[in-house]
Amino acid sequence: EAGVAQSPRYKIIEKRQSVAFWCNPISGHATLYWYQQILGQGPKLLIQFQNNGVVDDSQLPKDRFSAERLKGVDSTLKIQPAKLEDSAVYLCASSGNRGGSEQYFGPGTRLTVT
Amino acid sequence: AQSVTQPDIHITVSEGASLELRCNYSYGATPYLFWYVQSPGQGLQLLLKYFSGDTLVQGIKGFEAEFKRSQSSFNLRKPSVHWSDAAEYFCAVGARSNTGKLIFGQGTTLQVKP
Repeated sequence: EAGVAQSPRYKIIEKRQSVAFWCNPISGHATLYWYQQILGQGPKLLIQFQNNGVVDDSQLPKDRFSAERLKGVDSTLKIQPAKLEDSAVYLCASSGNRGGSEQYFGPGTRLTVT
Repeated sequence: AQSVTQPDIHITVSEGASLELRCNYSYGATPYLFWYVQSPGQGLQLLLKYFSGDTLVQGIKGFEAEFKRSQSSFNLRKPSVHWSDAAEYFCAVGARSNTGKLIFGQGTTLQVKP
């Protein structure tokens, strides 16, 4: 079974530029999560989708971050414009339908904003 | 407020020695509990989880963890550490609901001395 795929693996941009990350979850997983992991910290949830609907985006900085999951499969997370403090690893995870189901994580995208 | 505390930011043990990583949580009710491991440049891999039942849970790679409700703790243990166990370890709690949102601790970096 293929795992969670993410691209790109690494990205370097200048502040005020825009960037987009892509995630393809495990086949059949209805729930998709985007986490932000700043160096030296644990991952923090940015947004959670159930199929193509948003379940929780309370910690998403909506003035600059946006995410979509069209057709309830893969997802894109965008930052526009980027700030220095957005430098982090962005992790995508997916899980089955049951509450508390195990989340499977992708390898992440390491973003450096200069 | 919901939170997870991993008191030890960095731990060094000798290969073959025993290991215990501490995790304490603050939550309104008994949550689901998880331990994840993250190797450099990799995503998070689930080591073990506690949902209910026996408070001593076994995981992959010879790890185990014990849930102690009275202490709000979920410490991770391994009787004999291998050099390949060097990585970062995250404790996480999840809601007993369909949201599945995880709250992570800040992580413990394990270094293994030969």
